[in-house]
Amino acid sequence: RKEVEQDPGPFNVPEGATVAFNCTYSNSASQSFFWYRQDCRKEPKLLMSVYSSGNEDGRFTAQLNRASQYISLLIRDSKLSDSATYLCVVNDGFQKLVFGTGTRLLVSP
Amino acid sequence: EAGVAQSPRYKIIEKRQSVAFWCNPISGHATLYWYQQILGQGPKLLIQFQNNGVVDDSQLPKDRFSAERLKGVDSTLKIQPAKLEDSAVYLCASSRPRGGQETQYFGPGTRLLVL
Repeated sequence: RKEVEQDPGPFNVPEGATVAFNCTYSNSASQSFFWYRQDCRKEPKLLMSVYSSGNEDGRFTAQLNRASQYISLLIRDSKLSDSATYLCVVNDGFQKLVFGTGTRLLVSP
Repeated sequence: EAGVAQSPRYKIIEKRQSVAFWCNPISGHATLYWYQQILGQGPKLLIQFQNNGVVDDSQLPKDRFSAERLKGVDSTLKIQPAKLEDSAVYLCASSRPRGGQETQYFGPGTRLLVL
């Protein structure tokens, strides 16, 4: 079983749609969780950290369910500029980050 | 604040040749990481340095890959000899330790193609 699993997509949505990505992780000792965004042929950049209480940043909402070892990212009112690959990232319980394969999002006009 | 610098940006070599990549982290960042990202996959950690010491190199293919960070600032990653399956983007990242909550900042990467 992979340490971090994501649906690779692609998710094709129209502008203005709401889209949700899910991610599961296998290491119950993981303590910190993140979503990174990676544009085509660019480096990954931190989108947001994920907390147990859930957190929101504008149109983006991240949720963590420790019991189910499940992380989600919700994007509301999708923009063309949201087209990218979204990487689920989990700390391994020490200092190492483990990246999922990423979920590709394509937002069309 | 200057970001993570990497060079070269692109490299094409033939199998069995050697190649070296250079990384200069963000000033003041004690932790430096080298990742390998194969097309269609997420980044995979190769080696992590804390200052000039190795924290984790469990996924570094040590028969052909080596890395150093002699003065605790910039770092080089070397592949010798290269194989076809080493074709990937090599990403360098740095962070300021915060007990596991640190944000990693990535450089633009070096795209390696092995023919």
